[in-house]
Amino acid sequence: DSGVTQTPKHLITATGQRVTLRCSPRSGDLSVYWYQQSLDQGLQFLIQYYNGEERAKGNILERFSAQQFPDLHSELNLSSLELGDSALYFCASSPPGGPIGELFFGEGSRLTVL
Amino acid sequence: AQKITQTQPGMFVQEKEAVTLDCTYDTSDPSYGLFWYKQPSSGEMIFLIYQGSYDQQNATEGRYSLNFQKARKSANLVISASQLGDSAMYFCASILYNQGGKLIFGQGTELSVKP
Repeated sequence: DSGVTQTPKHLITATGQRVTLRCSPRSGDLSVYWYQQSLDQGLQFLIQYYNGEERAKGNILERFSAQQFPDLHSELNLSSLELGDSALYFCASSPPGGPIGELFFGEGSRLTVL
Repeated sequence: AQKITQTQPGMFVQEKEAVTLDCTYDTSDPSYGLFWYKQPSSGEMIFLIYQGSYDQQNATEGRYSLNFQKARKSANLVISASQLGDSAMYFCASILYNQGGKLIFGQGTELSVKP
C-alpha cells in the first residue's frame, strides 16, 4: 500500500459525459501528479501540483482539468469524453525529502468510455 | 526534449539468474534523474531505484542495481537472483530538474521469470 488513495477504482461511462477522479496523496506529501496509461500511448504525464499550485504541465487535453485543494487532495476532471480517453489514470505523490521523481503511485482509476 | 527508449518489449529469465533491462535516454540537459519503476499485473507502479546525473557511483537497492553509463546515455537495470515475483512490466523514466516534476517514461519491458 503506497498510501496514495484514488477513487473510483473503476468507472464506465458514455461518450460525451464528464467524470471526476479523486486523489488523496500520502500524508505529508505536497506534490500530486496525474498520469494517463493507455496501450497505444503508454504512460503520459498530464499535470503536477505542488501545495495547491500548478507546477508542471504535460500532454493534458483542453477537455481535461485538474486542481489541488487546500487539504492537498486533487481532482482530475475529464469532460466531453471520447472513446480514446479510456485508460488507467494514475495519481502519484512525492515526499518532500526524496529525489524529485521518486513517486508513490495510487492503484489507479480505470476509465472505460463506451 | 526528453526521450526514453526501452528496446526490449519482452524478456524471459530463469529463476535465480540475473537479468539486464536496457534503457537509453536522450537529453542534452546536464542535470537530470533516472528512475526505474515496476508494474506488476495488479497494476500499481512501484519505485525501484534512482540515479542522479551527477552521482559518481551506480545506484543499488537490494537486488536492483542501475548500470549508469553517462557517455552512452544508458541506464540499464540489473536484477540479480531473479524471483518469480519479479515478473512484471518495468519502466525506465527520466526527469529534467529544470523542468519541475515532469517524469517521462519509456514504453516498458515485460519481464517473465521462469521457474
